[in-house]
Amino acid sequence: NAGVTQTPKFRILKIGQSMTLQCTQDMNHNYMYWYRQDPGMGLKLIYYSVGAGITDKGEVPNGYNVSRSTTEDFPLRLELAAPSQTSVYFCASSYSILAGGDKADEQFFGPGTRLTVL
Amino acid sequence: GNSVTQMEGPVTLSEEAFLTINCTYTATGYPSLFWYVQYPGEGLQLLLKATKADDKGSNKGFEATYRKETTSFHLEKGSVQVSDSAVYFCALSDSVYGNNRLAFGKGNQVVVIP
Repeated sequence: NAGVTQTPKFRILKIGQSMTLQCTQDMNHNYMYWYRQDPGMGLKLIYYSVGAGITDKGEVPNGYNVSRSTTEDFPLRLELAAPSQTSVYFCASSYSILAGGDKADEQFFGPGTRLTVL
Repeated sequence: GNSVTQMEGPVTLSEEAFLTINCTYTATGYPSLFWYVQYPGEGLQLLLKATKADDKGSNKGFEATYRKETTSFHLEKGSVQVSDSAVYFCALSDSVYGNNRLAFGKGNQVVVIP
């Protein structure tokens, strides 16, 4: 298993440009998440999804959009990039809590995308 | 709402020293508690977890005990190595809402000097 993969690894955007951060998992996890990590601030949840076709806002959703058309993929869209969106973005996935067992609440993280908006 | 507080500032210590990183939490319900580790240039990895009061999580020489009476989950290791240099995040998951959302602390940079 490749686990959680993210592309690209690095990207520089100009203000007002748009882009999509890709995230794919091959563990058949129902739940997927997008976080941003700012220096000294820990991780903040942007959006999450509990299954294909279902998404919901996290703590910091403004300026972002998501979709979940398949179990495997959970892309994050930035429509009008702003300097405040300069950050490292992590995608994660987990089993549904309904699956039970010891692994039900562990999240698996991708390697991250470092985004700079100038 | 749920929140996690970690001690302020980076931690610098010598190889074979004792490491403690403090973590306290505020939560409704009965959260699971986690320590995640982030090595340079990588994503987060689960280090250990505890799902109920008085449980002790352990992995790679690290330990943490779920203390409901003090709402704490402090991370300890008896003898650190240079390879333990990383950022450590305390987190909680309250599955009452059925989505496994995690609330993270700000993280602590640990630097181990040979």
